[in-house]
Amino acid sequence: AQTVTQSQPEMSVQEAETVTLSCTYDTSESDYYLFWYKQPPSRQMILVIRQEAYKQQNATENRFSVNFQKAAKSFSLKISDSQLGDAAMYFCAYRRYNNNDMRFGAGTRLTVKP
Amino acid sequence: DTEVTQTPKHLVMGMTNKKSLKCEQHMGHRAMYWYKQKAKKPPELMFVYSYEKLSINESVPSRFSPECPNSSLLNLHLHALQPEDSALYLCASSQEDKGVRVGYTFGSGTRLTVV
Repeated sequence: AQTVTQSQPEMSVQEAETVTLSCTYDTSESDYYLFWYKQPPSRQMILVIRQEAYKQQNATENRFSVNFQKAAKSFSLKISDSQLGDAAMYFCAYRRYNNNDMRFGAGTRLTVKP
Repeated sequence: DTEVTQTPKHLVMGMTNKKSLKCEQHMGHRAMYWYKQKAKKPPELMFVYSYEKLSINESVPSRFSPECPNSSLLNLHLHALQPEDSALYLCASSQEDKGVRVGYTFGSGTRLTVV
């Protein structure tokens, strides 16, 4: 079974600074997807960024980028120039290729200080 | 339309009641999902529908009954629930085109309280 581990229950960052959220996963598969989702108090899960395992290049979406280390099974999220609106719960998620079964980590609550 | 719409947003029901949660999307997604999320916990997969057929049932108790009447609509019928079933119920959808696997689009959820 695949498991996703987020070892940081809470993180805090100063506005305009950079923060990195950690995620590790366990799988025996070679083809899969990894995601970071954001869940603000509004409750809706919002896709932040995704990474295909077959791609060596790290995904980037504006201020959000990942450090994908396939051999180490590590998938960290870096948020640059943090904004107050980035405050939310962040979930790392794994989905096997051609499979509709996405699994989430326990989440990291990010606080952004003005 | 790039949204998944869930109704109602809040629901309070007694243990003997029968109620239904509704989820709708018009993005042409052919996979739809129900997740259950307890407070301060990650979402847990309950059911997956692919092309209107149930493809995954994560050993969910029979008091939860999913239904997918068409490709745009997903229901979750509730009957004889327990207080521990109180949670946020999230619906999601995704494309099912061969070779295309993208992240899910989630609705805002239904906050269910069983009294």
